[in-house]
Amino acid sequence: DAKTTQPTSMDCAEGRAANLPCNHSTISGNEYVYWYRQIHSQGPQYIIHGLKNNETNEMASLIITEDRKSSTLILPHATLRDTAVYYCIVMPWSNYQLIWGAGTKLIIKP
Amino acid sequence: NAGVTQTPKFRILKIGQSMTLQCTQDMNHNYMYWYRQDPGMGLKLIYYSVGAGITDKGEVPNGYNVSRSTTEDFPLRLELAAPSQTSVYFCASSFNRDLREREQFFGPGTRLTVL
Repeated sequence: DAKTTQPTSMDCAEGRAANLPCNHSTISGNEYVYWYRQIHSQGPQYIIHGLKNNETNEMASLIITEDRKSSTLILPHATLRDTAVYYCIVMPWSNYQLIWGAGTKLIIKP
Repeated sequence: NAGVTQTPKFRILKIGQSMTLQCTQDMNHNYMYWYRQDPGMGLKLIYYSVGAGITDKGEVPNGYNVSRSTTEDFPLRLELAAPSQTSVYFCASSFNRDLREREQFFGPGTRLTVL
């Protein structure tokens, strides 16, 4: 299974775009990139996922490089409520087991 | 919809006691999962189920048992509780119709302490 590497922590000013990087250099062609976040020990919350094309939904945008070895989650206008731990996960197509790393602790500052 | 509900929210057990963590979902999801999360760490999969009557081990199944008699319920049983089982337990469910719809929905968690 592909593993991911994320920075331990990041800061972002309120109202600015938060850009969270993730490296997944051993990703296979049929593996999806998923992003979840966890706010203050609550249950994790799904944000977005993608295979190779960029994706956007009401919460965020996901930019995946052409070689698929890295991706960036973009929160376009960060608010204080976006302070959370963000997890980048690569999921094999053949099973349903998410392999969770330690994630990136994102702190939004006023 | 209530989504995924878990009971209890908190529990303290003595070493050697047993208990069942309850999980119910009302979204008619076929897949359900149990995770544990230790402080400062990501989640680890304990058991999962792809449908009623079918369960399988995840990454850390030792010391736990599960059953899935209905689509809605997926209880997790701890036998002979040990301090190493002190953790926060999350239940999740998903509707895995195809690769585009595998996002998991999580419950609020059960915080368990074994003393």
